[in-house]
Amino acid sequence: QKEVEQNSGPLSVPEGAIASLNCTYSDRGSQSFFWYRQYSGKSPELIMSIYSNGDKEDGRFTAQLNKASQYVSLLIRDSQPSDSATYLCAVAGNQFYFGTGTSLTVIP
Amino acid sequence: DAGVIQSPRHEVTEMGQEVTLRCKPISGHDYLFWYRQTMMRGLELLIYFNNNVPIDDSGMPEDRFSAKMPNASFSTLKIQPSEPRDSAVYFCASSIRDPRSGNTIYFGEGSWLTVV
Repeated sequence: QKEVEQNSGPLSVPEGAIASLNCTYSDRGSQSFFWYRQYSGKSPELIMSIYSNGDKEDGRFTAQLNKASQYVSLLIRDSQPSDSATYLCAVAGNQFYFGTGTSLTVIP
Repeated sequence: DAGVIQSPRHEVTEMGQEVTLRCKPISGHDYLFWYRQTMMRGLELLIYFNNNVPIDDSGMPEDRFSAKMPNASFSTLKIQPSEPRDSAVYFCASSIRDPRSGNTIYFGEGSWLTVV
């Protein structure tokens, strides 16, 4: 079992819709969770972090964390073509792990 | 403030040649990471340093790979001899403190390596 698992996609949503990205992790002691966005040919950049159970909102982005179920998700509301990218989930516990990413395409 | 600076941005080399990738972390950052990214394996941690000291090199694929950090502002990743399967994007990244405590990892723009 991988430390961090994501559906590789590709995930396609129409412009204006909600995109939902999911991530599960194996280390129950993990404390910090991150979502990075990576445009094609570019480096990953942090878009959100979450540390407590529940929701955290930042503009059109909402991160959701459920430690009991060991999953973290990212919702993108009012998706825009500029959101088309690969989204990497990262989890920090005893070690720091990245998932392999989910490719998102927002169709105009 | 300048971000993580990597060089070269692109390198094409022949199998068997030595490759040296360079990195300057963000000033004041205590942690430096070397990652490799491929389509098949995603983002893999190769090695990381804390205050110039290698902490975990378990991700270094084999003895052909070596990394050094002689001072707080410079690190190298060397591959000798290079092989076609080493073709990938190599990212250097830094963090002000331990990312396991919630500190952000900042990535350089990557070094795109092609071994032919």
